[in-house]
Amino acid sequence: EDKVVQSPLSLVVHEGDTVTLNCSYEVTNFRSLLWYKQEKKAPTFLFMLTSSGIEKKSGRLSSILDKKELSSILNITATQTGDSAIYLCAVHGSSNTGKLIFGQGTTLQVKP
Amino acid sequence: GAVVSQHPSWVICKSGTSVKIECRSLDFQATTMFWYRQFPKQSLMLMATSNEGSKATYEQGVEKDKFLINHASLTLSTLTVTSAHPEDSSFYICSARSYRDRGRFGNQPQHFGDGTRLSIL
Repeated sequence: EDKVVQSPLSLVVHEGDTVTLNCSYEVTNFRSLLWYKQEKKAPTFLFMLTSSGIEKKSGRLSSILDKKELSSILNITATQTGDSAIYLCAVHGSSNTGKLIFGQGTTLQVKP
Repeated sequence: GAVVSQHPSWVICKSGTSVKIECRSLDFQATTMFWYRQFPKQSLMLMATSNEGSKATYEQGVEKDKFLINHASLTLSTLTVTSAHPEDSSFYICSARSYRDRGRFGNQPQHFGDGTRLSIL
């Protein structure tokens, strides 16, 4: 059965800290791994990773995929209170319908 | 690009009524649409996958008679929560996929609507 596991499930940090969120997966015929940020509405797309070892970067956020270890990390440097959200990892596997398998999410709280 | 509009954004209604939620793809043809349910502080739970013009495929444990899904056109899918009860209160999110147009939108497998917050009194 396809599975995506995120850790930690929740995290509290102070502004300026750097955080690393983890995502590991077991899926049939991996196609891509996606990271989303969710605040009060639906998830907002952050990154899509398909190749191992290539870092994707957007401002203070970056992510990398390790296909050998079946995992990915999402880094946030110099955290701000606006980074407080649920971060979701999802994997697009063997289904040609585009079905995503979501992890449980990591709830990040950044304190001033 | 890849705009998915979900309506209404929130709804409050009495127990026993039926509620319809619409999901529209505004700038692409959605060959597949997905409906999710999310409880507070939990992840998205896939309820069903619908392809245009055919019956929806429901995930295990989701009552198809309770959650009616219609995907009659390439730009519209609806979820109707029939005879809603307080335990159906949740955040419902739709997403859409276009296999044909995927290259236009960075090859993302799904594009999400803003969600509907449903409260049943």
